[in-house]
Amino acid sequence: QLQLQESGPGLVKPSETLSLTCAVSGGSIGSSSYYWGWIRQPPGKGLEWIGSIYYSGSTYYNPSLKSRVTISVDTSKNHFSLKLSSVTAADTAVYYCARHGSLGSPFDPWGQGTLVTVSS
Amino acid sequence: QSALTQPASVSGSPGQSITISCTGTSSDVGGYNYVSWYQQHPGKAPKLMIYDVTKRPSGVSNRFSGSKSGNTASLTISGLQAEDEADYYCTSYTSSTTVVFGGGTKLTVL
Repeated sequence: QLQLQESGPGLVKPSETLSLTCAVSGGSIGSSSYYWGWIRQPPGKGLEWIGSIYYSGSTYYNPSLKSRVTISVDTSKNHFSLKLSSVTAADTAVYYCARHGSLGSPFDPWGQGTLVTVSS
Repeated sequence: QSALTQPASVSGSPGQSITISCTGTSSDVGGYNYVSWYQQHPGKAPKLMIYDVTKRPSGVSNRFSGSKSGNTASLTISGLQAEDEADYYCTSYTSSTTVVFGGGTKLTVL
């Protein structure tokens, strides 16, 4: 059964770069034609798609975040990563990683999510 | 890109049926049969309930159903139960090769 687990610092200072990793277990990132995505949810607010990466490395980003986001995949470590630069308090959120079969396919499964707080 | 439009809240009594709408444009909801619905309980990750507008994943109750007309997709929950109380989100693929979420709907079971 495929499982995803987010990890990274829970506290990031304003103007710095948020870095998270999503470890995939129960399956190989590089051996199947899936997309791997990041979604976030500010406290008390709704879900926002950040971006997705195809197993081969092609990336797709939310236009509102595109200038600050980089998603990468490391097949040797069976994980994919998110970097969000120049963070502000508005980037405080629970960050989820998830798999989807195509950009139109549903996100399933999801990781449990990790809270990242932006504060000095 | 603009978020899909959902009602902020809906409510119903046990046993009743409710419908949550998700309105987009011809560039997202109306243009593709790639609408999904997620249920989220407090402090939990979202759970897939409906995909490709009408399809139900294995294990999801048949009390949940999806439909679409024009630029509006809908999630219907019949035979409402207390455990259905949660937040519900729709998503759609867009013509810009992106994904957009709805703002979310809080379902209260009275």
